[in-house]
Amino acid sequence: GESVGLHLPTLSVQEGDNSIINCAYSNSASDYFIWYKQESGKGPQFIIDIRSNMDKRQGQRVTVLLNKTVKHLSLQIAATQPGDSAVYFCAENTGRRALTFGSGTRLQVQP
Amino acid sequence: AAGVIQSPRHLIKEKRETATLKCYPIPRHDTVYWYQQGPGQDPQFLISFYEKMQSDKGSIPDRFSAQQFSDYHSELNMSSLELGDSALYFCASSLEEEETQYFGPGTRLLVL
Repeated sequence: GESVGLHLPTLSVQEGDNSIINCAYSNSASDYFIWYKQESGKGPQFIIDIRSNMDKRQGQRVTVLLNKTVKHLSLQIAATQPGDSAVYFCAENTGRRALTFGSGTRLQVQP
Repeated sequence: AAGVIQSPRHLIKEKRETATLKCYPIPRHDTVYWYQQGPGQDPQFLISFYEKMQSDKGSIPDRFSAQQFSDYHSELNMSSLELGDSALYFCASSLEEEETQYFGPGTRLLVL
């Protein structure tokens, strides 16, 4: 299928390494943040979310960190696998319910 | 688990034609959102509906309209299509009291 994000920043990691994907958000009033994974030709897939009253949340192999002071989010993926290769987007919700997506990052996992 | 269903998955139209995209939300979800994603871009919010009423509006052109029906499915109607309308169109759904939006597989629209 057609690639998503042909000109996106790319993070290349070795299989088994940890990955860190960063995102800067724009609205200091945003109170809910989500990370999505998008594979080529598919819709964004929910990975993990975090509310503004938290600074860290962990899931299975993933951790999201939120720094409200500098309006920065990061997604950490432990023991990255080839199946993690995709474009990753952060999204923020200001309470209007519509999500505002950040620019994606392409993660390439080298076997 | 059931996911969001979109149809058609692929659509080819010519300039000035019309198109209708359909979205069937996850069962029990009452809120539907439409997003447009151009090549190499992030998804852009178009419009959303909660309980069959428009709840939020984004960068949706006046040539486009949408509605949510009594069974909660939604349709995005696009008229006077332009080349720049070629994109992936995603529908997402959520429970109103929750904020997590779950996306469908998208409809790829190509306008020639």
